[in-house]
Amino acid sequence: AQTVTQSQPEMSVQEAETVTLSCTYDTSESNYYLFWYKQPPSRQMILVIRQEAYKQQNATENRFSVNFQKAAKSFSLKISDSQLGDTAMYFCAFVRFSGNTPLVFGKGTRLSVIA
Amino acid sequence: DAMVIQNPRYQVTQFGKPVTLSCSQTLNHNVMYWYQQKSSQAPKLLFHYYDKDFNNEADTPDNFQSRRPNTSFCFLDIRSPGLGDAAMYLCATSSPGAETQYFGPGTRLLVL
Repeated sequence: AQTVTQSQPEMSVQEAETVTLSCTYDTSESNYYLFWYKQPPSRQMILVIRQEAYKQQNATENRFSVNFQKAAKSFSLKISDSQLGDTAMYFCAFVRFSGNTPLVFGKGTRLSVIA
Repeated sequence: DAMVIQNPRYQVTQFGKPVTLSCSQTLNHNVMYWYQQKSSQAPKLLFHYYDKDFNNEADTPDNFQSRRPNTSFCFLDIRSPGLGDAAMYLCATSSPGAETQYFGPGTRLLVL
């Protein structure tokens, strides 16, 4: 079975600074996807970034980038130039490459961006 | 815009009174999921459909059932809601081979 671990329940960062959220996972699969989802308070779960395990290059989306270390089974999210709107719960998630298997979520990290 | 829509956004029901939550999608995705999310917790999968094939998670209570009459719609029925069923219910969709799940805005259920 796959597991996803987010070891930081809460974090805070000053506006305009950079913050890194940690995620590790355990799997015996070789083909899979990893995701970071953002969930603002009382709002919709939104995909932030996605990484295919077969790609060595780290995914980036504007101010968001990941550090994917496949051998170490680590998938951290870096947010640059943090903005107040980045305040949210961030979930790391794993899915096998098989077509209809469910996401395995970490417990989440609550990020607060402070003005 | 193509999206996942959930209605209602807020639902109040009485203890033991059946309630139905709905989800629709314009993404034409084969797979639809229902999650339960309690405060400050990760979403917990209840069940999912691959087309019309129903997949129930082993620990989903019998009190929860689901229907998918067509590709676009999926319903979550809670036969006899208890206080512990108060939560956010999230619907999501995905397309095989694409793997990314797209979530609706959720329905917040309150049980009185």
